[in-house]
Amino acid sequence: KNEVEQSPQNLTAQEGEFITINCSYSVGISALHWLQQHPGGGIVSLFMLSSGKKKHGRLIATINIQEKHSSLHITASHPRDSAVYICAGGVNNNNDMRFGAGTRLTVKP
Amino acid sequence: DVKVTQSSRYLVKRTGEKVFLECVQDMDHENMFWYRQDPGLGLRLIYFSYDVKMKEKGDIPEGYSVSREKKERFSLILESASTNQTSMYLCASRTQGANYGYTFGSGTRLTVV
Repeated sequence: KNEVEQSPQNLTAQEGEFITINCSYSVGISALHWLQQHPGGGIVSLFMLSSGKKKHGRLIATINIQEKHSSLHITASHPRDSAVYICAGGVNNNNDMRFGAGTRLTVKP
Repeated sequence: DVKVTQSSRYLVKRTGEKVFLECVQDMDHENMFWYRQDPGLGLRLIYFSYDVKMKEKGDIPEGYSVSREKKERFSLILESASTNQTSMYLCASRTQGANYGYTFGSGTRLTVV
């Protein structure tokens, strides 16, 4: 079993829909990272959180430390949100990361 | 903004060639990392470095070496490229401390034929 599991693997939505991507982890972490990877490969860090909730524009990330679970929500989704979203747990005082396999999101107009 | 620059977006090399992948960051970060990314496997750590001339093996170091002669530059070396090293390679950097996130480069897609 992977230390960081994401679901779903693939997700297709219509423009405007509310989207949730889930992440569960079994390893002790210092922080939970949400990353975005567009076609072409570059990765952008969206959030790093160790408790509670963070919001940036239409993106919201939450974490439940007791349940070892995090969610990434996208409100009013748009085709430009189409990307692979990767959850990663920061371990060893956040000096290393354990990555989920990613969720491929496609938002159709 | 922090920038992590990888020298090539796409590379095609022949089996047995020596391959250099270069990564440069401009924010004086201590830590630098090389990952490879394969479908269904996610990102896996090849090597990392906490300081100049320091290097540590990650989860999959076999077939790779690294060099960090200057703080801003971290090079990944494939001594003798093989077809199973065809992959997306991503470099990242961060500063020391638990509260700091990672900055990634745009990736190098390497094909070994």
